[in-house]
Amino acid sequence: EPEVTQTPSHQVTQMGQEVILRCVPISNHLYFYWYRQILGQKVEFLVSFYNNEISEKSEIFDDQFSVERPDGSNFTLKIRSTKLEDSAMYFCASRQGLDGYEQYFGPGTRLTVT
Amino acid sequence: SQQGEEDPQALSIQEGENATMNCSYKTSINNLQWYRQNSGRGLVHLILIRSNEREKHSGRLRVTLDTSKKSSSLLITASRAADTASYFCATDGVGYGNKLVFGAGTILRVKS
Repeated sequence: EPEVTQTPSHQVTQMGQEVILRCVPISNHLYFYWYRQILGQKVEFLVSFYNNEISEKSEIFDDQFSVERPDGSNFTLKIRSTKLEDSAMYFCASRQGLDGYEQYFGPGTRLTVT
Repeated sequence: SQQGEEDPQALSIQEGENATMNCSYKTSINNLQWYRQNSGRGLVHLILIRSNEREKHSGRLRVTLDTSKKSSSLLITASRAADTASYFCATDGVGYGNKLVFGAGTILRVKS
């Protein structure tokens, strides 16, 4: 069964460094999302992406964040200058579009900023 | 805000018993989705119920939706130890982008 994959599973970085989190959505899906979950807290929406542009972004998704679909398969989240409070689990999700509203999540990347 | 909330926050039952989790939300929705998360792992999609549906079944799962009360319930019948996990409802509100808004979740523990 097709699934969303994410790499790396765990990333440790120093404050101020740039990180790129990678996702491969399900192949025939058209809509892509990033969410994050700070330890012990709710899953929070960051950004949605469709037709090579951002559809919607949350207040969390400020200028230090960017997303890109560099080719036909990958979907990336870049954090330019990481802060301690960026430490969280980051989930990528995709949905088919048209009549398919189910969002399928990847296994997540645990980002630890030291 | 379309924040949903689940109750109870935690539920502990014996294997074979049924588990019911409830979710409330605040705004109009396109659909509501339920997810399972094992400790520290990814979110597994369980079931989606559309705003014009009242009940949906998938295996041992039964989901109901009451849009007049802005609430949903997830019933897991004949629970197993492997059902131990956190369960979240997520609402897809009316609007562009179809972002999901998650509740805080119910932690289910099934004792064998």
